[in-house]
Amino acid sequence: AQSVTQPDIHITVSEGASLELRCNYSYGATPYLFWYVQSPGQGLQLLLKYFSGDTLVQGIKGFEAEFKRSQSSFNLRKPSVHWSDAAEYFCAVGVKAAGNKLTFGGGTRVLVKP
Amino acid sequence: GAGVSQSPSNKVTEKGKDVELRCDPISGHTALYWYRQSLGQGLEFLIYFQGNSAPDKSGLPSDRFSAERTGGSVSTLTIQRTQQEDSAVYLCASSQGQFSGNTIYFGEGSWLTVV
Repeated sequence: AQSVTQPDIHITVSEGASLELRCNYSYGATPYLFWYVQSPGQGLQLLLKYFSGDTLVQGIKGFEAEFKRSQSSFNLRKPSVHWSDAAEYFCAVGVKAAGNKLTFGGGTRVLVKP
Repeated sequence: GAGVSQSPSNKVTEKGKDVELRCDPISGHTALYWYRQSLGQGLEFLIYFQGNSAPDKSGLPSDRFSAERTGGSVSTLTIQRTQQEDSAVYLCASSQGQFSGNTIYFGEGSWLTVV
């Protein structure tokens, strides 16, 4: 079965600094990969997704992620963080053979210092 | 509506009572999912409906949990004889159908507290 690991439970970053959130997955083939963001009291919002093709994916709110097959990783980055980026971020793996359901990582909570 | 709509947004219930949570997916979306988000367990898949196919119930944690989808649209998740460990946010999501290439959109969730 597939699994997703987000090694960092919390990350604190200063406003204007760069941000990188790590995601590692376990699956025998290339999965579908997603990053979602959840602001306090809100549902999950899709930031970006990777299905195939270019391994560098651009998303909303200035985020990007890079799929690295050799490292089984799909790390999320943003060059300059804004206070509104404080939220919890979830990496997810989808495998069609697994019945179209997503497997989520444990999440990384991002705090932004002024 | 514009997004996935869930009700109630918050529900407090006594242990042992039954609860029903409702999800209204995005119009035209044939796939509907229920997930549970709880402390210590993260986000867990519960059940998936796709069109007229038999639902994938593989994530339901016990037989106290059931879900139905009427008319291919609105879905209800029912928890019978609620227990304190059922306290969580129940998230509904929908997508246009075939998983590959289609974004899954989530509602804001129903926060269930069992006291």
